[in-house]
Amino acid sequence: NAGVTQTPKFQVLKTGQSMTLQCAQDMNHNSMYWYRQDPGMGLRLIYYSASEGTTDKGEVPNGYNVSRLNKREFSLRLESAAPSQTSVYFCASSHLVREKLFFGSGTQLSVL
Amino acid sequence: AQSVTQPDIHITVSEGASLELRCNYSYGATPYLFWYVQSPGQGLQLLLKYFSGDTLVQGIKGFEAEFKRSQSSFNLRKPSVHWSDAAEYFCAVVPNTGNQFYFGTGTSLTVIP
Repeated sequence: NAGVTQTPKFQVLKTGQSMTLQCAQDMNHNSMYWYRQDPGMGLRLIYYSASEGTTDKGEVPNGYNVSRLNKREFSLRLESAAPSQTSVYFCASSHLVREKLFFGSGTQLSVL
Repeated sequence: AQSVTQPDIHITVSEGASLELRCNYSYGATPYLFWYVQSPGQGLQLLLKYFSGDTLVQGIKGFEAEFKRSQSSFNLRKPSVHWSDAAEYFCAVVPNTGNQFYFGTGTSLTVIP
């Protein structure tokens, strides 16, 4: 059982480049989330999707867009990457909101 | 402001010693409370959670946590630490009127043989 799968695991971008982080879950979960983790700041929510067809902003949405492609997949797009977006990004899913989160293994992104 | 506070950035304990990691929150009503563990290079794994009922909750890997309403705290404990417990630990809350998880800044645990 794969759980939550994120791709890629590592990525280096130049300022201004765009990219999409992919996330897929095979647990038939309704809710999916994107977090970023920065040293000394814990995890901060970028966007979430409580159910298929809906998306909502979290604490730090600026500079990001998301797409809930179907129930399994939730992608995060950086349209014009900035050095401040250098971080580790985690996708997570849960059956319902407020329930246990299942995390992917993360994407380490560096923006030069 | 609403917040989750983990006052200890880093803790070092000897193997076999007891452990307590602190977590305080500042939300009006009792939120949903969680402890997660993150091993290096990995995602987060749930240790335990509290929604309601018995204020002492048991989790995986021998961990437990106690909810104290009067202190707005949800401290994580383990009677005897193993070297494999070295990791980063995060407290998280979900306000009972909201849908978002709010994470503390984490406590890094080092275990000395």
